[in-house]
Amino acid sequence: AQSVTQLDSQVPVFEEAPVELRCNYSSSVSVYLFWYVQYPNQGLQLLLKYLSGSTLVKGINGFEAEFNKSQTSFHLRKPSVHISDTAEYFCAVSELGFQKLVFGTGTRLLVSP
Amino acid sequence: NAGVMQNPRHLVRRRGQEARLRCSPVKGHSHVYWYRQLPEEGLKFMVYLQKENIIDESGMPKERFSAEFPKEGPSILRIQQVVRGDSAAYFCASSPSIFGGTADTQYFGPGTRLTVL
Repeated sequence: AQSVTQLDSQVPVFEEAPVELRCNYSSSVSVYLFWYVQYPNQGLQLLLKYLSGSTLVKGINGFEAEFNKSQTSFHLRKPSVHISDTAEYFCAVSELGFQKLVFGTGTRLLVSP
Repeated sequence: NAGVMQNPRHLVRRRGQEARLRCSPVKGHSHVYWYRQLPEEGLKFMVYLQKENIIDESGMPKERFSAEFPKEGPSILRIQQVVRGDSAAYFCASSPSIFGGTADTQYFGPGTRLTVL
């Protein structure tokens, strides 16, 4: 069975500072990896995904993530955050050939001026 | 292009009543998924459907919950005899047809927030 761990429930950061949101997964088979963002009272929006190929994945809004197979991690990074990045961020995994997503518990990013 | 539509956005029910949540997928998508988000938790998979077929219902509670995706019309998640513990946000997602095991992006709707009094 797969699982996703997001160790940081909340990450406070100042505007224009860099940020890294951590995600580790466990699975006995190959997986696809995703980061979604959820703004208050809204649905989830896909930030980026890793299916295969280059381990550095670029997404929308200046975010990127790096897949590290040996460490089973898929950390999300942004070099300079904006107030508008304040939201909940979810890491998710799906096994190849299966469609359901397994989500982590989320990390709340709080950007202050 | 219309995204995934869910209605109602907010639903209030008293204990013992039925709740019906509707999901219209992105036009052309034939795969629908339902997830539940309890307060302060991540999303948990409930069920995966294709037109007229349930593909994976491993996340559905054994009783009171059912889902369908008919040939015509939206997908429906039905909760009978609701209890307070059913209070949550229910999200629907859709994806286009898949071939060769390729994972297609799931597009999420805005969710239905169910409150059971």
